[in-house]
Amino acid sequence: QKEVEQDPGPLSVPEGAIVSLNCTYSNSAFQYFMWYRQYSRKGPELLMYTYSSGNKEDGRFTAQVDKSSKYISLFIRDSQPSDSATYLCAMYCNPLYSGGGADGLTFGKGTHLIIQP
Amino acid sequence: ETGVTQTPRHLVMGMTNKKSLKCEQHLGHNAMYWYKQSAKKPLELMFVYSLEERVENNSVPSRFSPECPNSSHLFLHLHTLQPEDSALYLCASSQMRDQPQHFGDGTRLSIL
Repeated sequence: QKEVEQDPGPLSVPEGAIVSLNCTYSNSAFQYFMWYRQYSRKGPELLMYTYSSGNKEDGRFTAQVDKSSKYISLFIRDSQPSDSATYLCAMYCNPLYSGGGADGLTFGKGTHLIIQP
Repeated sequence: ETGVTQTPRHLVMGMTNKKSLKCEQHLGHNAMYWYKQSAKKPLELMFVYSLEERVENNSVPSRFSPECPNSSHLFLHLHTLQPEDSALYLCASSQMRDQPQHFGDGTRLSIL
């Protein structure tokens, strides 16, 4: 079982729709959760960062974390064609708390999102 | 300049060549990272440096050799690469290792 599961898409929605992007994970030691946006030929750009269960809002973006279900989501309201990109979820656990293992971010494969004008 | 800058943006090399990738961060961060991004695969962490000391090497082949001369610069030296090493190589930095990472735009590497 992979540590982080993310549907690669593509996910195509009309402009103005609410977009829901999701990741599930298996390692309960993950403490911090991030969403990155990556445009073609560019590096990942940090969108949202959270470390607790619940919702965090920033403009049109809302990040949701449910640690009991090991599930995180990113919602985009009033989607725009400029939101078309690949969205990567990422999670961090400190090896001190997880009994060792890689120290760094674990990424999902990314979801390719297309907003149709 | 701000953020994380990577050079070159594109690199084509033969299997017997030696080349280096460069990364520079202008954020005052203490940790720097190299990642490999291949199509349809998650980002793979290659190396981590914290306060200029290497703290992670995820079983990366020895044909990849990192160097961190100071907290702002990171290099990835390449030697005798294989075709499967063709990928986007991303550099990132963070204030501390448990803080969000900021990425450069990567070097697109093609091995002939």
